[in-house]
This record gives sequence, C-alpha cells and structure tokens, in this order.
Amino acid sequence: QKEVEQNSGPLSVPEGAIASLNCTYSDRGSQSFFWYRQYSGKSPELIMSIYSNGDKEDGRFTAQLNKASQYVSLLIRDSQPSDSATYLCAVGPGGGEKLTFGTGTRLTIIP
Amino acid sequence: GAVVSQHPSWVICKSGTSVKIECRSLDFQATTMFWYRQFPKQSLMLMATSNEGSKATYEQGVEKDKFLINHASLTLSTLTVTSAHPEDSSFYICSAPLAPQQFFGPGTRLTVL
Repeated sequence: QKEVEQNSGPLSVPEGAIASLNCTYSDRGSQSFFWYRQYSGKSPELIMSIYSNGDKEDGRFTAQLNKASQYVSLLIRDSQPSDSATYLCAVGPGGGEKLTFGTGTRLTIIP
Repeated sequence: GAVVSQHPSWVICKSGTSVKIECRSLDFQATTMFWYRQFPKQSLMLMATSNEGSKATYEQGVEKDKFLINHASLTLSTLTVTSAHPEDSSFYICSAPLAPQQFFGPGTRLTVL
C-alpha cells in the first residue's frame, strides 16, 4: 500500500525563522510531489510542486526532493503568522493521476 | 490558474435524506475528477475517481451504493450521498487534474442531523 508519512506536529516556529517540514513516501515509482497548505475549514491550496531531484525555490518557499531517499521537504523562510496552517504532502505517479496525501503537519508561527 | 467550483459550499440535512454535491471545472475540461472526504483534524481520504462516460472507481471500503457518482460531462461531476446519517457529516472536496497538477474545489461542508 502506498504511504506518505509526515510528522503531525504541531510545529512551532518563531516569526522570521525558517520552518522545515518533512515527508517520506513508500512508492519508488512516484513522479510528482506537491506541498499543499490548508487553513482550517478551507480546501487545500497548492504552494509548491517538484518533479526532479534537487531544490526548487519560489519566493520564501523551497521544496527539496531526494528520490533515492524517498524524501521530500519544504522550507519556509522568514516565517509569517499567515503561514500558520496545516501543510499536506502529496505524492503521485505523474500526469495528474490520483494523489496520496500525508496526514499533514500543523505549523504555528509564533509572533 | 485553473478553477474548480463546488456547490453547495455547505448543507445541513436530516438523517435519511439524500444530498447532491456538484463539482465543476470552470475553464478546462476534465475526463477524470477525484472526490475526497476529510474528517476534523484528519487528512484527505480519496473516496473515488469519477470518469466521464464510464463508471466511477471507488477506493477500498467506500460504499458505491451510498456514494453515487455521475460524471455527466467534461466539466461536471456529482456526488450524491444517499440516505445520509450523522456519521456521513464531513468536509467533501473534489479535484480535477490539469496535468501535471490537480486543482481543488473549495469543498462542501455536510452536516447530517
């Protein structure tokens, strides 16, 4: 069974610091990797996607993928209170096929 | 980016009634859509894959006779919760793929009294 593992948290980070979120997955054939942010009572919002090994940066967000270790991470620099949310890691076979979600990590940014 | 809408955004119904939830891709066509359910403080659980022109594919443990899915067109999928009971109260979210990503609807909060 395909599994995606995340530390459920909560993870508390001071405002302005770097938040580091981690995710591991079991299916070696996975080709697409996503980080979604979900505020309470809202639908998930895509913040990063990554498809090849290495780092991908977008503003304050950096996604890192290591397929050999089956590991994907998300770094949030200069954390803001508005970053407080649950972050879901999702993994898929590629091509827009169905995703497997982790249980999510609840992040709290402390002012 | 691509937009997916859901209707209604919330619904309250009595036990035993049926509720229909619509999912629409507004600016792209989707031969496949996905239906998820999320209970409080839990992650998204895929219920089924909706396929335009053919039967839906249900995940293990999901009752196909209770959760009826119809993919009526390339932009519309519906989920009907039949004979709803309080344990069906949840947040239902659909998504539609536009490769390589999936775009999520805003969700429907169902409360069964």
